[in-house]
Amino acid sequence: TQLLEQSPQFLSIQEGENLTVYCNSSSVFSSLQWYRQEPGEGPVLLVTVVTGGEVKKLKRLTFQFGDARKDSSLHITAAQPGDTGLYLCAGRDSSYKLIFGSGTRLLVRP
Amino acid sequence: KAGVTQTPRYLIKTRGQQVTLSCSPISGHRSVSWYQQTPGQGLQFLFEYFSETQRNKGNFPGRFSGRQFSNSRSEMNVSTLELGDSALYLCASSGLDPNIAHGYTFGSGTRLTVV
Repeated sequence: TQLLEQSPQFLSIQEGENLTVYCNSSSVFSSLQWYRQEPGEGPVLLVTVVTGGEVKKLKRLTFQFGDARKDSSLHITAAQPGDTGLYLCAGRDSSYKLIFGSGTRLLVRP
Repeated sequence: KAGVTQTPRYLIKTRGQQVTLSCSPISGHRSVSWYQQTPGQGLQFLFEYFSETQRNKGNFPGRFSGRQFSNSRSEMNVSTLELGDSALYLCASSGLDPNIAHGYTFGSGTRLTVV
């Protein structure tokens, strides 16, 4: 069974700080996605990375897919309270099921 | 365009009862997936449908079933409810074949509480 492990599980930081969230697996994924979920709502897709070594930027968010396509990271620069939420990575396993990591809960304090 | 619509938003059921949840995907989307989200287990994959065919199934007991209609709307059914079935049930849709790398659009979910 392919698993995605996220770290850290919880992160509480001050507004303006930088942070990195990690998503790791022992298996190779054809692609990885990152979502953000707010309380009472469904996850919202942030980005999909497909190519090993790929880097994508979305304003203050930078996503990287590992060269071996087994891991990914999300870096947020100058975090804002609006970045608060549950960050989830997801990847398609060998049977094309989209499986999710356990999530990183981020709190950005004003 | 309208997003993914799940009904109802909240539901309270008694142990032993059954429940049917509904999902209307984005217009034109043919792929619908269902997930169960709990604090302890996170997002767990239930099943995925594409053009009325179940393409994938997660590791849930047979009490959990689903179907997709010709208009792409989907329903999931849980029979003989247990307390542990209390969760947020999320539906996601996509316009592409599940075998292609792409992202999903999720609905807001149905919060099921079993008492």
